Amino acid sequence: SQQGEEDPQALSIQEGENATMNCSYKTSINNLQWYRQNSGRGLVHLILIRSNEREKHSGRLRVTLDTSKKSSSLLITASRAADTASYFCATANSGNTPLVFGKGTRLSVIA
Amino acid sequence: DAGVIQSPRHEVTEMGQEVTLRCKPISGHDYLFWYRQTMMRGLELLIYFNNNVPIDDSGMPEDRFSAKMPNASFSTLKIQPSEPRDSAVYFCASSPITQANYGYTFGSGTRLTVV
Repeated sequence: SQQGEEDPQALSIQEGENATMNCSYKTSINNLQWYRQNSGRGLVHLILIRSNEREKHSGRLRVTLDTSKKSSSLLITASRAADTASYFCATANSGNTPLVFGKGTRLSVIA
Repeated sequence: DAGVIQSPRHEVTEMGQEVTLRCKPISGHDYLFWYRQTMMRGLELLIYFNNNVPIDDSGMPEDRFSAKMPNASFSTLKIQPSEPRDSAVYFCASSPITQANYGYTFGSGTRLTVV
């Protein structure tokens, strides 16, 4: 069953623009993670934010978490054609349960 | 480390045949997960292991699916008999001891087509 739901389902932007993807979830979490999947490849872990954190940065990535709204956002700044991929949020509930993934946002960055 | 290794990358089989998917996790990772990805249902967890022991197989769709982990460096997912609705990409992933507190490392997946 899906815990996280990404929005939008698909996003198309020009190179150099910023891309923002959102994730909403239903139950309390231990942490929330974002992954990237290039076409025909496996998922690659991008960043993890814990439930007691509000914002985290990694290079051109910025993740925010609002536990009161049960939502997170992933911002990719100064996008490049190579950022074209699907992006998934995954939630880790309390306890030692496995990650549950959303259906992803398909990002297309046009050169 | 070469990462999580899955084989084969592609498998095309006829309905009714047995299919075996293989996975080699990252050395030292105590958790191994099998996920299935389809357009309709996204990524679904099928089963996961901790220290080679199956912990939760509630995601396995039917008795036709079985998974084993005979040792820390090898796992198989078997479908017998296969059906067209089993067509999907199957991913294996592994993670260190504290499981969901770390990111998972995924293999490149096996694209299964049952005709």
